[in-house]
Amino acid sequence: DARVTQTPRHKVTEMGQEVTMRCQPILGHNTVFWYRQTMMQGLELLAYFRNRAPLDDSGMPKDRFSAEMPDATLATLKIQPSEPRDSAVYFCASGPGARDYGYTFGSGTRLTVV
Amino acid sequence: EDKVVQSPLSLVVHEGDTVTLNCSYEVTNFRSLLWYKQEKKAPTFLFMLTSSGIEKKSGRLSSILDKKELSSILNITATQTGDSAIYLCAPSSPNAGGTSYGKLTFGQGTILTVHP
Repeated sequence: DARVTQTPRHKVTEMGQEVTMRCQPILGHNTVFWYRQTMMQGLELLAYFRNRAPLDDSGMPKDRFSAEMPDATLATLKIQPSEPRDSAVYFCASGPGARDYGYTFGSGTRLTVV
Repeated sequence: EDKVVQSPLSLVVHEGDTVTLNCSYEVTNFRSLLWYKQEKKAPTFLFMLTSSGIEKKSGRLSSILDKKELSSILNITATQTGDSAIYLCAPSSPNAGGTSYGKLTFGQGTILTVHP
């Protein structure tokens, strides 16, 4: 089965450090989403891309977060500097873009900022 | 601001019980409502609903949408321990042009625990 690959699976870092999370979407999928999941807020949309162009990043704290798709096989989410409140599971999802279903989530990156 | 409320937040039942999970939404430019199941890791797709009153079924799971009441329910009959998971509902709320497919607003989820 095709899958969305996220790395790293777990990351523990100190406050103030830069964190980079990576996502390899399913080949042929032109739409990529980044979500963050916490117990308090649930799943929140941070940003999404279609054909590598950012369509909406209004859910993302702009001062410290950035999301890019340097090519069709890689999406990145960076946090600089990281803060303890950024501790969460970050999910990437990819899909065909022309409909609301058919999106596959990766297994997530569990980030802990101490 | 888009809002999705699921109830109950958690539910504990025994195998064989039937459960009903609720989802209420207030979103702009509503197009469809999706249900996901999340076990230990990533959410997995269950249903997509676009029309009111038409039930979608998959085995022991079924779901229906009420666009007048801005709500949906997910039913699980004859529950099994493997149904234990977080169930998430997510309306699709595209931009004004309707071109942003897959843009979902998730509810908090209902944590279902099924005991043997």
